[in-house]
Amino acid sequence: GAGVSQSPRYKVAKRGQDVALRCDPISGHVSLFWYQQALGQGPEFLTYFQNEAQLDKSGLPSDRFFAERPEGSVSTLKIQRTQQEDSAVYLCASSLAGSYNSPLHFGNGTRLTVT
Amino acid sequence: GDSVTQMEGPVTLSEEAFLTINCTYTATGYPSLFWYVQYPGEGLQLLLKATKADDKGSNKGFEATYRKETTSFHLEKGSVQVSDSAVYFCALTGRSNDYKLSFGAGTTVTVRA
Repeated sequence: GAGVSQSPRYKVAKRGQDVALRCDPISGHVSLFWYQQALGQGPEFLTYFQNEAQLDKSGLPSDRFFAERPEGSVSTLKIQRTQQEDSAVYLCASSLAGSYNSPLHFGNGTRLTVT
Repeated sequence: GDSVTQMEGPVTLSEEAFLTINCTYTATGYPSLFWYVQYPGEGLQLLLKATKADDKGSNKGFEATYRKETTSFHLEKGSVQVSDSAVYFCALTGRSNDYKLSFGAGTTVTVRA
């Protein structure tokens, strides 16, 4: 069965470029999350959607980061004017509901390298 | 804020050895606790969880007990296999934001035949 799909798998951007990362959650999953994982670290929460509503964006590192989920399905994480410190793996996860009782399904991530 | 500290790796073991990965947490109230695993080339997946004190989570021969008195959730397996080679992450969700996972830094485990 289809899991959470992320694209591209790898992205190399020159500093200052804008990037867009895509996440296709499991069909029917209400909740969608973005996490950022720096090399050698655990994932860090970025933002949370319930359907199309962005309920928590407290983890977004700066106003260069923007996420959307306009139809409550596919989500895009956009990073404007990329900086070297943005280099990380960006993980998307989805679940049927938003609480700890609903298992999270993670995608394989997009590895972003900013040169 | 809520945080998790787990044993640094890497850890290298022989097959059939006993594995322990220590995890302690700091949180307000009573969090839910999790172990996630990332096998090579795959996405993170839930290994086990415990939602209240003294609960024991178990899966695939792994166990972890929620110890409120020591704020710990150590992962154990009695006899590891080569297929257990992976990165293991301890994580928690707080009661107030129970959708938001806070992860430890991860422990890389390599099991040799």
